[in-house]
Amino acid sequence: DTGVSQDPRHKITKRGQNVTFRCDPISEHNRLYWYRQTLGQGPEFLTYFQNEAQLEKSRLLSDRFSAERPKGSFSTLEIQRTEQGDSAMYLCASSLPGTGSYEQYFGPGTRLTVT
Amino acid sequence: RKEVEQDPGPFNVPEGATVAFNCTYSNSASQSFFWYRQDCRKEPKLLMSVYSSGNEDGRFTAQLNRASQYISLLIRDSKLSDSATYLCVVGPYNDYKLSFGAGTTVTVRA
Repeated sequence: DTGVSQDPRHKITKRGQNVTFRCDPISEHNRLYWYRQTLGQGPEFLTYFQNEAQLEKSRLLSDRFSAERPKGSFSTLEIQRTEQGDSAMYLCASSLPGTGSYEQYFGPGTRLTVT
Repeated sequence: RKEVEQDPGPFNVPEGATVAFNCTYSNSASQSFFWYRQDCRKEPKLLMSVYSSGNEDGRFTAQLNRASQYISLLIRDSKLSDSATYLCVVGPYNDYKLSFGAGTTVTVRA
């Protein structure tokens, strides 16, 4: 499968625990994005990497959230001291910018439930 | 005010019918416009980009009205497989930091 992959697909954790999610983009894509989606809402932008550089962070990304893309390939999103409000689907997307429109390809997401 | 607003629906239509819906966006500087489709509990997938002159892809037609800041999607000859949530997406010139609407749900019945 050459699409965007995410791991794990589901995560149940207790409030206060730390969790880490991984995203593997499509291999030649140099842009990688993290979004969060809650029920009945569209995805909300969290952060964006171009290669290994994190170029933008949403104000939604509190100090408890950190994202890395150390070698410009896969990325991790860590949430420290999880809260019930963190329960959501975390989506990763990648793209290869060029001329014309740019399609973001989404992974299947990691569904986080904080109990 | 949300950046992108959509009528959540649902739009329940019989097979073969035409269904159309709009979304509005608040940032007049937006340059990129898309419709994404999202099936239940699945990831969003690009349905089509929306160009200033309007564009068509098979049974799907998208229109952009910059003056009124709205985007429309029309589906002709609806199929059962068109049942999904359609997300209106708006962004700056480059593709990053896209703003998604909450989606319009379409259900096509036999």
